[in-house]
Amino acid sequence: GDSVTQMEGPVTLSEEAFLTINCTYTATGYPSLFWYVQYPGEGLQLLLKATKADDKGSNKGFEATYRKETTSFHLEKGSVQVSDSAVYFCALRGQGAQKLVFGQGTRLTINP
Amino acid sequence: GAVVSQHPSWVICKSGTSVKIECRSLDFQATTMFWYRQFPKQSLMLMATSNEGSKATYEQGVEKDKFLINHASLTLSTLTVTSAHPEDSSFYICSVVRDSNNEQFFGPGTRLTVL
Repeated sequence: GDSVTQMEGPVTLSEEAFLTINCTYTATGYPSLFWYVQYPGEGLQLLLKATKADDKGSNKGFEATYRKETTSFHLEKGSVQVSDSAVYFCALRGQGAQKLVFGQGTRLTINP
Repeated sequence: GAVVSQHPSWVICKSGTSVKIECRSLDFQATTMFWYRQFPKQSLMLMATSNEGSKATYEQGVEKDKFLINHASLTLSTLTVTSAHPEDSSFYICSVVRDSNNEQFFGPGTRLTVL
């Protein structure tokens, strides 16, 4: 079945550092790919998405490119802020499906 | 503004009692809603798919008699944890699906603590 694998956390960085959180997936066909962010005590918020190969999703300085050849959707940000501290989930939705398949989540802490 | 609301946001109950959690779609009618469970520092586990006007579809290993789901209208789904026990303590999150593009919107979650 479909699956998502994220780099294990926790990840701790200093403010203004470059961030990469790796995400790879296994799926048949052409899934849609997502990054969600969860702040402490809250539900998930959609951060960005990409629905086809080579699409780049971007939001709030974060970017991720749908790479079908490497089955990856790595999350990047050039300069992180303390307010970016949260748990980040990579997810996919199979072609024609409604259900999301989540990675295990990566806890990110940014120190001032 | 919020697309999905959950009520209550947190609840503490005694072992053996039942707890009802509501999930409301605020911006659009939702034929499909999902219920997830999240343990501390873990990912979301899909519990069931809630379909308006029909029985919920439960994931393998989730007890349907324990976790009762009712999707009585296109804007409301409820999850009732029956005869709750301490091991049911968790963070419960719902999501609603927009039919036009299958995009999911998540509620803020309900933290259940069973004493």
